[in-house]
Amino acid sequence: GESVGLHLPTLSVQEGDNSIINCAYSNSASDYFIWYKQESGKGPQFIIDIRSNMDKRQGQRVTVLLNKTVKHLSLQIAATQPGDSAVYFCAENSKSGGGADGLTFGKGTHLIIQP
Amino acid sequence: DSGVTQTPKHLITATGQRVTLRCSPRSGDLSVYWYQQSLDQGLQFLIQYYNGEERAKGNILERFSAQQFPDLHSELNLSSLELGDSALYFCASSVAPQSNQPQHFGDGTRLSIL
Repeated sequence: GESVGLHLPTLSVQEGDNSIINCAYSNSASDYFIWYKQESGKGPQFIIDIRSNMDKRQGQRVTVLLNKTVKHLSLQIAATQPGDSAVYFCAENSKSGGGADGLTFGKGTHLIIQP
Repeated sequence: DSGVTQTPKHLITATGQRVTLRCSPRSGDLSVYWYQQSLDQGLQFLIQYYNGEERAKGNILERFSAQQFPDLHSELNLSSLELGDSALYFCASSVAPQSNQPQHFGDGTRLSIL
């Protein structure tokens, strides 16, 4: 079954507020995680990644937190802007399951920005 | 722009037919991946190639096949098409084939089976 999932299908936030998108994974062998943003008619766009030997990584306006104890991943977006409206996916990779190097994606969270 | 190019953007065909989707990876990337995105299954990994050789298989049907050419571009061949094959097909590429390398996606080919 799906080894990566998201808690909420839709998240609505006010412009300028911070957004937090959550993701739970079930495969304890996962060692690499990525957040992607997908806009309508486009492919998934890489936002930020984190390896399992880290618990936090920061980018421009984004922070990813990894809690391996509870197998939880989150994406924080600071000062949310209209251009942040999109579907956000978490994805994981591990060498379990036959050594596949393909990513396993969650179902996605649709982030809606209210003016 | 991710640097990954996919053609065509849209493809409309009938059941039983065969189509070929094409992907050019980012400059310098040696590994290519194919994914299928549908409403009911989400984004699913199909197959991976590295330097011309198949490296990993995911949920790819036997009716589907792929290859990577010496210039590193890749093609995904879908045959005996069924209505359920209607989906978005994405190609991604990475510098190296290891599991801790970021994959960068193209904008996909939308396949519609009538």
